[in-house]
Amino acid sequence: GQQVMQIPQYQHVQEGEDFTTYCNSSTTLSNIQWYKQRPGGHPVFLIQLVKSGEVKKQKRLTFQFGEAKKNSSLHITATQTTDVGTYFCARNTGGFKTIFGAGTRLFVKA
Amino acid sequence: NAGVTQTPKFRVLKTGQSMTLLCAQDMNHEYMYWYRQDPGMGLRLIHYSVGEGTTAKGEVPDGYNVSRLKKQNFLLGLESAAPSQTSVYFCASSYIRGTPANTEAFFGQGTRLTVV
Repeated sequence: GQQVMQIPQYQHVQEGEDFTTYCNSSTTLSNIQWYKQRPGGHPVFLIQLVKSGEVKKQKRLTFQFGEAKKNSSLHITATQTTDVGTYFCARNTGGFKTIFGAGTRLFVKA
Repeated sequence: NAGVTQTPKFRVLKTGQSMTLLCAQDMNHEYMYWYRQDPGMGLRLIHYSVGEGTTAKGEVPDGYNVSRLKKQNFLLGLESAAPSQTSVYFCASSYIRGTPANTEAFFGQGTRLTVV
């Protein structure tokens, strides 16, 4: 189908450790978006990637789009307790219908 | 600007009751969406709209109806609520900007619905 698969489902890290979540699709993606949802909150847009092999950085966050445009990753360097939450990737399909992955929930222990 | 506003924030329904969730956005966005969020399932698209007067089915449309009579409002209706519809419902809106097109979605605060 049109799903994007995210792994892992959960990740527990010690504060200061790095964290990576992966998003995979069986079909070529026109773009990939990443969102963050804090516990009890609503999803908030982080970034959109559209080009093959694209890499973008936001402070400690690094986003990559695969060469084949079928996978993407979000890497957080030196996690902080403020990074706690669920990270979702999402794809736009025809008509700008936005479909989300199941998300990776990050737990950070101080 | 308030962004995307959902009402109500919480609701408890009995099985078989009906209700309407209201979503309002003040950003003049063309696209609006209704999602439900269940543990471990992420956000699943129920229905969406690409403009005033238009609606389309998403991934899980059964048991829900929607209407977009005004550009700024997107209503989600449950005609006969079932316990399986217990969930957190999020409304979102977006617009196309830039080249390549960026369709960042802005979300409301969510509605927590319990059907007993």
